[in-house]
Amino acid sequence: GAVVSQHPSWVICKSGTSVKIECRSLDFQATTMFWYRQFPKQSLMLMATSNEGSKATYEQGVEKDKFLINHASLTLSTLTVTSAHPEDSSFYICSARSELAGFFDYEQYFGPGTRLTVT
Amino acid sequence: AQKVTQAQTEISVVEKEDVTLDCVYETRDTTYYLFWYKQPPSGELVFLIRRNSFDEQNEISGRYSWNFQKSTSSFNFTITASQVVDSAVYFCALSEAEGATNKLIFGTGTLLAVQP
Repeated sequence: GAVVSQHPSWVICKSGTSVKIECRSLDFQATTMFWYRQFPKQSLMLMATSNEGSKATYEQGVEKDKFLINHASLTLSTLTVTSAHPEDSSFYICSARSELAGFFDYEQYFGPGTRLTVT
Repeated sequence: AQKVTQAQTEISVVEKEDVTLDCVYETRDTTYYLFWYKQPPSGELVFLIRRNSFDEQNEISGRYSWNFQKSTSSFNFTITASQVVDSAVYFCALSEAEGATNKLIFGTGTLLAVQP
């Protein structure tokens, strides 16, 4: 149980184009999903927290107009990198928290990640 | 401010050696959780353990053990009789009680290389 998928697993796009990454909870409903970015040999940095049906909360320094997050259903969140540039090349990882999780249930289930390369 | 420090950037050991990965954290909350994750070359994060701030009991799971000491704000991870398959980046993480957000703050990671 508690499987999170991401699609695509890797993507190459040209500078200036937009790319959408999907994060799905396969066997549970997720009220909250998180998006992380990891540059090579670096740690995971939280980009934003999305709650189903409401606007995402972005971390300081993350451009909300560039990284569009939509959490339209309890099983799907999407991250769209708009007008991508080579510096956006990174490993993007999502995680999901079950709607059944209690207030003190800190469990997050991670997706396998999406490797984005912008040429 | 919350912070997780993993001072060891890279560790290299020979198979069957024991190795300890250090983790020091900072938080103002009295209620929090600490985690360890393994990230193999494939990139997918593998959950290893979660420990809440009220439980200082050490834990052992097979070759893995964890030592949580609130007095020193440390949550160290030991692998006994290391194996080549243990080679990966290991992250320590902290989650505070920020409402229902529960966002994770990750350390910088320790790259463990186990040589045959």
